Formats: sequence, C-alpha cells, structure tokens
Amino acid sequence: NAGVTQTPKFRILKIGQSMTLQCTQDMNHNYMYWYRQDPGMGLKLIYYSVGAGITDKGEVPNGYNVSRSTTEDFPLRLELAAPSQTSVYFCASSLLRETGNTIYFGEGSWLTVV
Amino acid sequence: AQSVSQHNHHVILSEAASLELGCNYSYGGTVNLFWYVQYPGQHLQLLLKYFSGDPLVKGIKGFEAEFIKSKFSFNLRKPSVQWSDTAEYFCAVNANTGNQFYFGTGTSLTVIP
Repeated sequence: NAGVTQTPKFRILKIGQSMTLQCTQDMNHNYMYWYRQDPGMGLKLIYYSVGAGITDKGEVPNGYNVSRSTTEDFPLRLELAAPSQTSVYFCASSLLRETGNTIYFGEGSWLTVV
Repeated sequence: AQSVSQHNHHVILSEAASLELGCNYSYGGTVNLFWYVQYPGQHLQLLLKYFSGDPLVKGIKGFEAEFIKSKFSFNLRKPSVQWSDTAEYFCAVNANTGNQFYFGTGTSLTVIP
C-alpha cells in the first residue's frame, strides 16, 4: 500500500549545494509530477513526465532537473541551491484511464536553503 | 491554458456551521474536477472527484460538491463542520484525457471548537 514515496522528508541545504529528491511509485502510473508549494501560492508544477524517457517542463522549471529512466522513479535534482528554492516539494503520479485521471501525492519534502 | 480560482483564501467557522467553498475554472472542453484536502503538515489527499454523470458528488467525511457546467463551478459543501476539518482545501481541474492538473491557490479553513 505504499503509493507515492518521496525522500527525504526534511533537508537543510546551504546556498550553492546540490541535492536530489527521490520519488518512486508502485502503482504502475505512467504520469509523474513534481510540484512545489509555497504559502498562499498553491501548487506550482516544476516538471512532469508522461512515461519512461519522457520529461517536460512545467510552470517553474528553472533551477531544477529531472529524469525518468524507469516507470517507477522520478527524481528531482536541485543544482546550486538558492534561498528561493526553500519550499515544500510534492511528487505525484497518475494513470490516464478512459473514465478519468486522478492524481496521487507523496507525503512531501520540506527543503530549507540557508 | 486552464486556470482555477478559489475565491475564499481563509475561512473561519464555528463547529456545526455550514461550509461552502467556491471554485471556478476556465476551460471550454470536458473536464475532470477534484477537491483535495491537506491537513496541517501532511500531503494532499483526495476528498472527492467528478468525471461524469450526476453533477452532485459525494466524498469522504460528509463533503459534497456540485458541478454546474454553465457556471464553470465546482463548489465544495459540508452541512456541519467539525474541528477536525481544519485544513487547506484545493480545487483542481484536469482536461479529460489530459495529463496536466491545474490547482487553485487553496482555501485555508479554521474551525473553532
């Protein structure tokens, strides 16, 4: 019953450091997403993927990179961390069906850049 | 591009009061509609969804929402809120057969015991 799993849950980074947020799903969903959530701003899409080997930019991709080598995994890479990247990050996945498409979220990763 | 508007940013209610949170979207085609709830410190969880059929959708914990196509609205309702309903509520829309979801900015609900 794992669903979408992301790690780490909490992380403090220094300016200029790099890190990778891991995300894996065990529901065989083809679509995966990374969102960031800032207070009062709702959810902003960073990157998404429609299947292994295919990724695309969302609304706020600058400063991030992703890869999708398998259906299950969709890591988010932060290069040269900046204070503006302090946020809560949510990985999500969905499966397109004829009847509709529901998105499921991981538990979030709280990142602070100091 | 699609967009979702939630007009109430912060709502404060006493227990047993009725709740209605507004959600409007802009998209001319067929859509799937969702309400998600985020309890403090937790991730977003699906509250209810509308794909097709009866425009009045019932979800978990006594919540319901009504899809009014002519008004491009999908308002969330609950007849009697509880302290445990304190959370942030997000409306979302997804174009039918589409892979992108668009979220509103959220409504923070505080229920006072």
